[in-house]
Amino acid sequence: AQSVTQLGSHVSVSEGALVLLRCNYSSSVPPYLFWYVQYPNQGLQLLLKYTSAATLVKGINGFEAEFKKSETSFHLTKPSAHMSDAAEYFCAVSDRNTDKLIFGTGTRLQVFP
Amino acid sequence: DAMVIQNPRYQVTQFGKPVTLSCSQTLNHNVMYWYQQKSSQAPKLLFHYYDKDFNNEADTPDNFQSRRPNTSFCFLDIRSPGLGDAAMYLCATSRDRVGNEQFFGPGTRLTVL
Repeated sequence: AQSVTQLGSHVSVSEGALVLLRCNYSSSVPPYLFWYVQYPNQGLQLLLKYTSAATLVKGINGFEAEFKKSETSFHLTKPSAHMSDAAEYFCAVSDRNTDKLIFGTGTRLQVFP
Repeated sequence: DAMVIQNPRYQVTQFGKPVTLSCSQTLNHNVMYWYQQKSSQAPKLLFHYYDKDFNNEADTPDNFQSRRPNTSFCFLDIRSPGLGDAAMYLCATSRDRVGNEQFFGPGTRLTVL
């Protein structure tokens, strides 16, 4: 079965610092991968997705993620954190044989001035 | 703008009193999903509709039902809410199944007194 692991339930960075949120997946075939962001009392918003095209995927709000098959990873990065980036981030995988998203447990990003 | 709308945003009900949450979409997507999300947890899929086909998750309690009278609308009925059903309920849509990103509504926060 597919699974997603997000290392670090909480990540804290200073404003302007690099953001790195980790995601590893388990899959026997290249999956579809997604990063979503959730602000307090809001639904989930898609940041970016990987669907077997380019391995470096650029998303909204300056975020990007790189698919590394050898490491089964899809880490999310942003060069310079803004206060407005403080939110919960979920990595998710969509199994090619099902119509379901399997979410990681989430990482809460805090940004300090 | 095409979107997923959930009403109400906040719902308070009494223990055992039936409640209905609604979701509508202007995206004309085939698939509609209902998720339950408790504090600091990932969304948990309750069920989904692919067009008119209803797909229930194995661990979704019988207390939860859903209706999709047409493409645009989907309802979540909780027949006898318990205190443990207090959560954020998220509706999502996708154009098709595998590989398509899901678009989420803002959610309905349910409080059970």
